[in-house]
Amino acid sequence: KNQVEQSPQSLIILEGKNCTLQCNYTVSPFSNLRWYKQDTGRGPVSLTIMTFSENTKSNGRYTATLDADTKQSSLHITASQLSDSASYICVVIYNDMRFGAGTRLTVKP
Amino acid sequence: ETGVTQTPRHLVMGMTNKKSLKCEQHLGHNAMYWYKQSAKKPLELMFVYSLEERVENNSVPSRFSPECPNSSHLFLHLHTLQPEDSALYLCASSHPVYVGGSSDTQYFGPGTRLTVL
Repeated sequence: KNQVEQSPQSLIILEGKNCTLQCNYTVSPFSNLRWYKQDTGRGPVSLTIMTFSENTKSNGRYTATLDADTKQSSLHITASQLSDSASYICVVIYNDMRFGAGTRLTVKP
Repeated sequence: ETGVTQTPRHLVMGMTNKKSLKCEQHLGHNAMYWYKQSAKKPLELMFVYSLEERVENNSVPSRFSPECPNSSHLFLHLHTLQPEDSALYLCASSHPVYVGGSSDTQYFGPGTRLTVL
């Protein structure tokens, strides 16, 4: 069983709507948690980085939250745009890196 | 662009062929990585190099052979691959080898889409 589980596996929303992606992990302790965006045909690009002591981190319309007690993180996307269509990958880091399988987001006009 | 380039972007090869993937980073980093990304699966770390020395090999089959001639270049030599090796191969680089600090963000290349027939 993967130590980092993401849900949903895929998601389709209309342009302008908000959405929230989930990441549950069993890695403990950890030093930081990251969210990456991966466009089709591209490598992942870092969106946010949070240490275990941070609860939230924003990057424009992207806001990541972290609850270290429940071992959950979420990525909230506000006022979605067509360019948000991508895979979003959660990564938990301690002495190693553990990747989630990603959520495939499609934003439709 | 992230400062990490990979060539070729697409590769189709037979099981008896020998080919090489190339990665180059222009960021002054001293750690480089090879990952395998299969559909709907998490990224799998294959190899890690720090200062041109291999520091991690996650039990990758010997048909994959990495080479790091200097801190800016990384190769993945392929021979007698299997159809299940078809995947996206991603290269990444960072400052130190990841130790958990937030400063060691990895920068990924665009990947090579490999198809083994």
